[in-house]
Amino acid sequence: AQTVTQSQPEMSVQEAETVTLSCTYDTSESDYYLFWYKQPPSRQMILVIRQEAYKQQNATENRFSVNFQKAAKSFSLKISDSQLGDAAMYFCAYLNAGGTSYGKLTFGQGTILTVHP
Amino acid sequence: NAGVTQTPKFRVLKTGQSMTLLCAQDMNHEYMYWYRQDPGMGLRLIHYSVGEGTTAKGEVPDGYNVSRLKKQNFLLGLESAAPSQTSVYFCASRTWNGVNTEAFFGQGTRLTVV
Repeated sequence: AQTVTQSQPEMSVQEAETVTLSCTYDTSESDYYLFWYKQPPSRQMILVIRQEAYKQQNATENRFSVNFQKAAKSFSLKISDSQLGDAAMYFCAYLNAGGTSYGKLTFGQGTILTVHP
Repeated sequence: NAGVTQTPKFRVLKTGQSMTLLCAQDMNHEYMYWYRQDPGMGLRLIHYSVGEGTTAKGEVPDGYNVSRLKKQNFLLGLESAAPSQTSVYFCASRTWNGVNTEAFFGQGTRLTVV
């Protein structure tokens, strides 16, 4: 069974500093995608970044980048130059793109990020 | 273009009552999902569908049933509501073009069972 674990319930960062959110996952599949989603107080879910498992290069989106360690099944999110608007709950997610649970999209427990001015 | 719409947005049920939550998407997505969000538990997958007429169990399917009779709609039913089903429910639909994929979420339904 696929599982996603976020071991940091809460994190905090000073504005303009860098913070890293951790995520590990467990799977026996080779074909999958990983995501980070952001949920601000409005409850809207917003895609931050996506990583295809077959790509060795780490994904980047402006101030957001990931460290994808496939062998270690680790997928951390780095936020550089943190802004007040980055404060939110962040979810790591795993999508099974093959096998018996094809299409199953599983989320972690979430990490609440606080940004201090 | 409304995206993903959940109906209703709020509901209070008495223990033992039944109800159906409707998720509608106008993006022609094959994949649809129902989650519940509880403090400290993250988003937990209840059921999902990989196409019209298909459904599959997620992590916490007990007490819920689903149907996907039409591609654009994914219904979540509670046959006999229990206080443990008090939660915020999210529906999502997902794109897939063979390379890229992204899930789009509804606004959530806050359900209270008393």
